Amino acid sequence: GQNIDQPTEMTATEGAIVQINCTYQTSGFNGLFWYQQHAGEAPTFLSYNVLDGLEEKGRFSSFLSRSKGYSYLLLKELQMKDSASYLCAVMDSNYQLIWGAGTKLIIKP
Amino acid sequence: GAVVSQHPSWVICKSGTSVKIECRSLDFQATTMFWYRQFPKQSLMLMATSNEGSKATYEQGVEKDKFLINHASLTLSTLTVTSAHPEDSSFYICSARGIGEGETQYFGPGTRLLVL
Repeated sequence: GQNIDQPTEMTATEGAIVQINCTYQTSGFNGLFWYQQHAGEAPTFLSYNVLDGLEEKGRFSSFLSRSKGYSYLLLKELQMKDSASYLCAVMDSNYQLIWGAGTKLIIKP
Repeated sequence: GAVVSQHPSWVICKSGTSVKIECRSLDFQATTMFWYRQFPKQSLMLMATSNEGSKATYEQGVEKDKFLINHASLTLSTLTVTSAHPEDSSFYICSARGIGEGETQYFGPGTRLLVL
């Protein structure tokens, strides 16, 4: 079967760095996405990785290792507004998105 | 770029009525649109995928006669919840993937439906 694993919840301190991991097992791979979802709102797109390596976009970076079926989202200089759920999703061989359950990130002052 | 809108953002209706939700891609042409449902504190659940001009593909367990999807143009898809019941109360979110935007799905802001 297809499976996406990510931690249910993480806590970090304002100004610090946090890494949210995602491991996956899917039938085929056409890219991995990270989305941010604030409570009561729809997801917003953060990043897309299809090749191995690190993609940096401001305070957020996303890393992919296809051989290990592994990705992480790195958030630097955490701000209170970064408190949200972070969703990992993998596009399989049929171009369908397989969603993880999301990681709820709590930022403390 | 890649903005998706949804209307209405909130709906309260009586049990037995039908509700239509519109999803529009504002600055790109959406070859494929997706409809999701999300219950409080739960994951996104894909309901159906629709390609412009063809019938929607529904996920297992989603009643196609209850959730009518029309993707009549490259910028508009509609979801109609027919004969809504309280258990249909949920957060309905559309997303769109389209020309010039690669494989990324961009989400609308969602529609909160409350059936009394």
